[in-house]
Amino acid sequence: DQQVKQNSPSLSVQEGRISILNCDYTNSMFDYFLWYKKYPAEGPTFLISISSIKDKNEDGRFTVFLNKSAKHLSLHIVPSQPGDSAVYFCAASADSNYQLIWGAGTKLIIKP
Amino acid sequence: NAGVMQNPRHLVRRRGQEARLRCSPMKGHSHVYWYRQLPEEGLKFMVYLQKENIIDESGMPKERFSAEFPKEGPSILRIQQVVRGDSAAYFCASSREQGKPQHFGDGTRLSIL
Repeated sequence: DQQVKQNSPSLSVQEGRISILNCDYTNSMFDYFLWYKKYPAEGPTFLISISSIKDKNEDGRFTVFLNKSAKHLSLHIVPSQPGDSAVYFCAASADSNYQLIWGAGTKLIIKP
Repeated sequence: NAGVMQNPRHLVRRRGQEARLRCSPMKGHSHVYWYRQLPEEGLKFMVYLQKENIIDESGMPKERFSAEFPKEGPSILRIQQVVRGDSAAYFCASSREQGKPQHFGDGTRLSIL
């Protein structure tokens, strides 16, 4: 039972363009969402989060959009840079709880 | 991932042996979480601890697995009588408060021969 789904295992984007990573969830109790980036042989690095009371949060090149009615969130990276090549995980929790439920990840490849 | 320190980075054990994984949280963080990641999957929550207390171990297998976070020293995830299926990457995270973003260590890759 996958409560958090990242349906694209990989995504290839030209350097300088916008990268859009998508995440869908099924549990309507989720109220806090996070994006993490992970390089091989390293732990996930926190990127950006959003609470369900908002529909957008921005931090530099990273913007997260939340559509509660569609149970969908997306991460936009603009402009994309070579160092952005990594696996991106979407995670969610209920009641701002500690137990993060993770998607399977999307591998982002930035082409020069 | 400076801050959360996990050791060892790689651990090889034979079936039936014990595995001990250590995690030192970021300075000022008293909340520790353990996750397991199987290949091609996301992380799966195992256990949440605060100093000297297990808050939630609902993600831990009922047998062979235990965790502690003593008053002094790192948090320990202990797996007794390891089996091949225990092979995975085990990640530890910490946070300053419950509900705040969790910061991760680089993980321990456990291989069972």
